[in-house]
Amino acid sequence: GAVVSQHPSWVICKSGTSVKIECRSLDFQATTMFWYRQFPKKSLMLMATSNEGSKATYEQGVEKDKFLINHASLTLSTLTVTSAHPEDSSFYICSAPEGEGEYSNQPQHFGDGTRLSIL
Amino acid sequence: AQKITQTQPGMFVQEKEAVTLDCTYDTSDPSYGLFWYKQPSSGEMIFLIYQGSYDQQNATEGRYSLNFQKARKSANLVISASQLGDSAMYFCAMRDIYNQGGKLIFGQGTELSVKP
Repeated sequence: GAVVSQHPSWVICKSGTSVKIECRSLDFQATTMFWYRQFPKKSLMLMATSNEGSKATYEQGVEKDKFLINHASLTLSTLTVTSAHPEDSSFYICSAPEGEGEYSNQPQHFGDGTRLSIL
Repeated sequence: AQKITQTQPGMFVQEKEAVTLDCTYDTSDPSYGLFWYKQPSSGEMIFLIYQGSYDQQNATEGRYSLNFQKARKSANLVISASQLGDSAMYFCAMRDIYNQGGKLIFGQGTELSVKP
């Protein structure tokens, strides 16, 4: 079945570092990908919609300059957490719907997530 | 605004028994999809079952079934014959096309613990 690969799985780094997370659709093309953030035992909060070849659409309250999203190809979206601080520590997970247009009945495929810890 | 609500933060069930996880939703769009995902402690999101707003019958997938009551705007997940491996977080989610551009919005989640 369709697979979304997310890398890296774990990141531990110092405060002030920028961290890039990659999300790849392995056997299908994804013009749209979604980035979520999740705190322990909490829900997945949508951060932004990544659109291939155009600017990402951010949810209200998400800092565009802090969380840079690039969707340069039909199979790759990246999330860069710039100048990360301890409060940015979280579980980040990407997803992509398979298929174009009317895909309301298509399950979104999720990456395995990235655990980010900022010291 | 689109909204998904799961009112059970945690649930316990005895192994081999059935359990129902509640989910209610709110949307003004007539066309939408409802999903249930399982998230074990390792973090990956596992798709369980889907129900479309125009589907006449309740969805079933193995031990999972969805009790879809459209008028009440509820989409409860029923797990039959619970197994120890069912212990995980369960999320209800909704996607409608016209208002949200295909975004998947999640409920708060229910942590299910299966007792031996």
